[in-house]
Amino acid sequence: QSALTQPASVSGSPGQSITISCTGTSSDVGGYNYVSWYQQHPGKAPKLMIYDVSNRPSGVSNRFSGSKSGNTASLTISGLQAEDEADYYCSSYTSSSPLFGGGTKLTVL
Amino acid sequence: EVQLVESGGGLVQPGGSLRLSCAASGFTFSSYWMSWVRQAPGKGLEWVANIKQDGSEKYYVDSVKGRFTISRDNAKNSLYLQMNSLRAEDTAVYYCARSYSSGWNYWGQGTLVTVSS
Repeated sequence: QSALTQPASVSGSPGQSITISCTGTSSDVGGYNYVSWYQQHPGKAPKLMIYDVSNRPSGVSNRFSGSKSGNTASLTISGLQAEDEADYYCSSYTSSSPLFGGGTKLTVL
Repeated sequence: EVQLVESGGGLVQPGGSLRLSCAASGFTFSSYWMSWVRQAPGKGLEWVANIKQDGSEKYYVDSVKGRFTISRDNAKNSLYLQMNSLRAEDTAVYYCARSYSSGWNYWGQGTLVTVSS
């Protein structure tokens, strides 16, 4: 199975909103409501930001939200802050094994 | 406080073996699926394997099937990954992660495995 498709990079200014897409197929993203998103700062372990498409774990800012339409899931970050600059990965359950996206580098201008 | 601490990484020659360990604390280890996820230098995340709470079910990514074995010892609150026939493409930071619904909500700090002659 191929990795999920994410844009290599996105950028935005402080206070703005950005959206990162994650495109798969009907066998993964489109077939299950089991998409999660991770934030990873350089040299650090990933941090769960969204699970089951749109749920936020306790302690994660409500500036982070998730959604899905068809075979594409999205992570939206509103009110962009400097600390949001990081790599972001999506992941989806599949019938065989969990898949990750290639990752998106978010730059806060 | 939930803690996952990996150990056992290092430099190994191609074809060699290594056993990674993950010591868990701060939660009821035996109640959770656990996974190993790896990240090659400068690359993205890749799920490697996972194991059910009682060890009765184990799953692997195709690229490691037949070479890697995931196991756990609930009495010792520990997760393991036995890696045999290592290849250069197995070089990565290996993370131990606790499953939470469709994702992983706790991760260790990772342990680096380098396969090189």
